[in-house]
Amino acid sequence: EDQVTQSPEALRLQEGESSSLNCSYTVSGLRGLFWYRQDPGKGPEFLFTLYSAGEEKEKERLKATLTKKESFLHITAPKPEDSATYLCAVQGYSSASKIIFGSGTRLSIRP
Amino acid sequence: GAGVSQSPSNKVTEKGKDVELRCDPISGHTALYWYRQSLGQGLEFLIYFQGNSAPDKSGLPSDRFSAERTGGSVSTLTIQRTQQEDSAVYLCASSTQGANQETQYFGPGTRLLVL
Repeated sequence: EDQVTQSPEALRLQEGESSSLNCSYTVSGLRGLFWYRQDPGKGPEFLFTLYSAGEEKEKERLKATLTKKESFLHITAPKPEDSATYLCAVQGYSSASKIIFGSGTRLSIRP
Repeated sequence: GAGVSQSPSNKVTEKGKDVELRCDPISGHTALYWYRQSLGQGLEFLIYFQGNSAPDKSGLPSDRFSAERTGGSVSTLTIQRTQQEDSAVYLCASSTQGANQETQYFGPGTRLLVL
């Protein structure tokens, strides 16, 4: 059964303090791994899709990386506006229509 | 362009009543998904539409839940005889179908509270 586990559940950082969020997954044939950002009271906002181990993608202060078992979302010199819940999700070939989401990491950046 | 829209944004109902939640996907998106998000939890897959057909209904939690899509566009999620455990945010997403185009665009959600 496809599964996604995110850690930590919550992370509080000082502005400018870099860190990483973890997403561990098990899937029978990875079709894609997705990162989303969700602000309170809003729907998730797409950030990245990764397809194969070794792939990396960047957007502003965020960089996502992928191995065969996990993905990391690296946040460099974060700002208060980066505060949000970050969701990881996987899509496998065995059930291409179903995307399995983790429970997210709540990130809080203090000024 | 317009994104995914959902209505109502909030719904309060009494236990035992039926509710209908609506989703308008991005124009031209053939795939449509419904998810449920309970407080502090991740997204729980409910159902997937490709066009007007639903090849995957495996996430619907009970036979009180049903969904339809008409004209390859608007979708309605219906919950019959609502229970308190149905209280959650119901999110809709749409996407184009094609090679490596599985990015889902989400609506703002409908917050359902069953009293």
